[in-house]
Amino acid sequence: NAGVTQTPKFRVLKTGQSMTLLCAQDMNHEYMYWYRQDPGMGLRLIHYSVGEGTTAKGEVPDGYNVSRLKKQNFLLGLESAAPSQTSVYFCASSYSGGLYEQYFGPGTRLTVT
Amino acid sequence: DAKTTQPNSMESNEEEPVHLPCNHSTISGTDYIHWYRQLPSQGPEYVIHGLTSNVNNRMASLAIAEDRKSSTLILHRATLRDAAVYYCSESGNTPLVFGKGTRLSVIA
Repeated sequence: NAGVTQTPKFRVLKTGQSMTLLCAQDMNHEYMYWYRQDPGMGLRLIHYSVGEGTTAKGEVPDGYNVSRLKKQNFLLGLESAAPSQTSVYFCASSYSGGLYEQYFGPGTRLTVT
Repeated sequence: DAKTTQPNSMESNEEEPVHLPCNHSTISGTDYIHWYRQLPSQGPEYVIHGLTSNVNNRMASLAIAEDRKSSTLILHRATLRDAAVYYCSESGNTPLVFGKGTRLSVIA
């Protein structure tokens, strides 16, 4: 099993450009999450999904959109990138809700200039 | 905002036990206490979780206070590979919220 994979690993964007980050999991997990981590900070939850076709806002959802069209994939979109969105983005998945451990991907390092 | 509080950093000598504290001042009766760690340049990884009783696994032990307002992650013999940022969190039906964690340094 590959676990949780993220594409791409690195990306540089200019202000105003758009992009989509892809998260995929092969563990048949219901829940998926997107976090961002800024230097010296903990992880902050952007959006999450409790099942195919559902999404919900986390702590810092502004400037991001998400979609969960397939159970195994969770997409994070930036419609108009801003320098404040420079960060490392982590995706995670879990079998179900808070009782179950989350499995994290390796991260995507995004720089917006 | 994170609901837990942890020291910013701690230091340990190699081969010695490490006790990492966490305060859960607003935890509800049904929330589980979780611990994760993040090695340099990696995504976080699960360490342990529990509800009321102390828990042990191959990585660590988790001691939970009787009133559940605090927990302690215990690494029985720290190794250089245990140098990481350790996060405690709480979760019931809502996703985990992570604070800044405790940066553990292990000295050879």
